[in-house]
Amino acid sequence: QVQLQESGPGLVKPSQTLSLTCTVSGGSISSGSYYWSWIRQPAGKGLEWIGRIYTSGSTNYNPSLKSRVTISVDTSKNQFSLKLSSVTAADTAVYYCATEDSGTFDYWGQGTLVTVSS
Amino acid sequence: DIQMTQSPSTLSASVGDRVTITCRASQSVVVWLAWYQQKPGKAPKLLIYKTSGLESGVPSRFSGSGSGTEFTLTISSLQPDDFATYYCQQSNSYPWTFGQGTKVEIK
Repeated sequence: QVQLQESGPGLVKPSQTLSLTCTVSGGSISSGSYYWSWIRQPAGKGLEWIGRIYTSGSTNYNPSLKSRVTISVDTSKNQFSLKLSSVTAADTAVYYCATEDSGTFDYWGQGTLVTVSS
Repeated sequence: DIQMTQSPSTLSASVGDRVTITCRASQSVVVWLAWYQQKPGKAPKLLIYKTSGLESGVPSRFSGSGSGTEFTLTISSLQPDDFATYYCQQSNSYPWTFGQGTKVEIK
């Protein structure tokens, strides 16, 4: 069974770049079985899909964030990463990585809280 | 973007009750609708995929139905472990979007 674990700074200053990594275990990120996605959830609010990457490096992003988001994959480390630039307080949220199969999110990481504050 | 609207936002029910949550899409998502359960401090858990497919390991008291723009999640007999927030999610067109959630509370 695939397991995912998010890691990265819990505090980011406004205008800086948020960087998170998702480490995959129990399966190969190169298997081609899934897309690899990022989703976020502000405290007490709903879920927002950020974007996804396939093993080939092909990406899809939410248009609302597209100008600030980069998702990349490192198959040698079995990891994929999220970078979100020019962050503001509105980007404070729990960030989840997840597998996506036919548009459905099967496996999720536990989530990591990122706070944007000076 | 396709807007997903769930009703009710909060639902109070008792153990053993039959519970139905509705999810409406602003345009057709055909059958590309999933349901998730989320408990406080935890990641969402997939319950239903492609409108009515029951994810492996999910109790059979959960079921999904619908098509086009209107979908329902039904819990046939509410159990103590089912008190949580439920989200629908469409994957017919980008960006994938979620409903605002329905919190199922103890009556």
